[in-house]
Amino acid sequence: DVKVTQSSRYLVKRTGEKVFLECVQDMDHENMFWYRQDPGLGLRLIYFSYDVKMKEKGDIPEGYSVSREKKERFSLILESASTNQTSMYLCASSLNRRYFGPGTRLTVL
Amino acid sequence: DQQVKQNSPSLSVQEGRISILNCDYTNSMFDYFLWYKKYPAEGPTFLISISSIKDKNEDGRFTVFLNKSAKHLSLHIVPSQPGDSAVYFCAASADSGGSNYKLTFGKGTLLTVNP
Repeated sequence: DVKVTQSSRYLVKRTGEKVFLECVQDMDHENMFWYRQDPGLGLRLIYFSYDVKMKEKGDIPEGYSVSREKKERFSLILESASTNQTSMYLCASSLNRRYFGPGTRLTVL
Repeated sequence: DQQVKQNSPSLSVQEGRISILNCDYTNSMFDYFLWYKKYPAEGPTFLISISSIKDKNEDGRFTVFLNKSAKHLSLHIVPSQPGDSAVYFCAASADSGGSNYKLTFGKGTLLTVNP
């Protein structure tokens, strides 16, 4: 079974803090993704990566950056967290369909 | 511009009855469609998919129908069970189900199955 893990299930940060969300997959997938889920807005793609050190902007990349130094790990970085980044963050990896991690509920105060 | 639309934010059905979740799309390049199911505090899980070369795909209690001319797909759950209560996301891609970098999701429909 594909396993996608995220470093934290719940996280509370203050405005202006730098936030790291880590994601690890164990199936040697080349493609990895970061989404955020908000009520009434569905799943929106922030960034994706199709190979180590490769990244592409998704639909809502503003305020975020990513890092993919190893194939199995894809990190989402909030350089200076803001309250509008309070959300559920979902990591996924894929071969031909997305496998999602359990999500990180981030609250920015 | 929302390319994948799930116009019903919520749906409530009785246990044992049929649940029908609808999805419309506007991009005629979409050729592969998926449904994901999401429980609270969990990531979405893949449920069923359909290629545009088909008009129906069935997996147990779940059937997806595709009407290309209407740019419409629907997910039927028969019979519905309380454990089916979740948010259902429709998604579409334009690369025949390959790497589908640009998998476009709808906003989701919350299904509640009442005992």
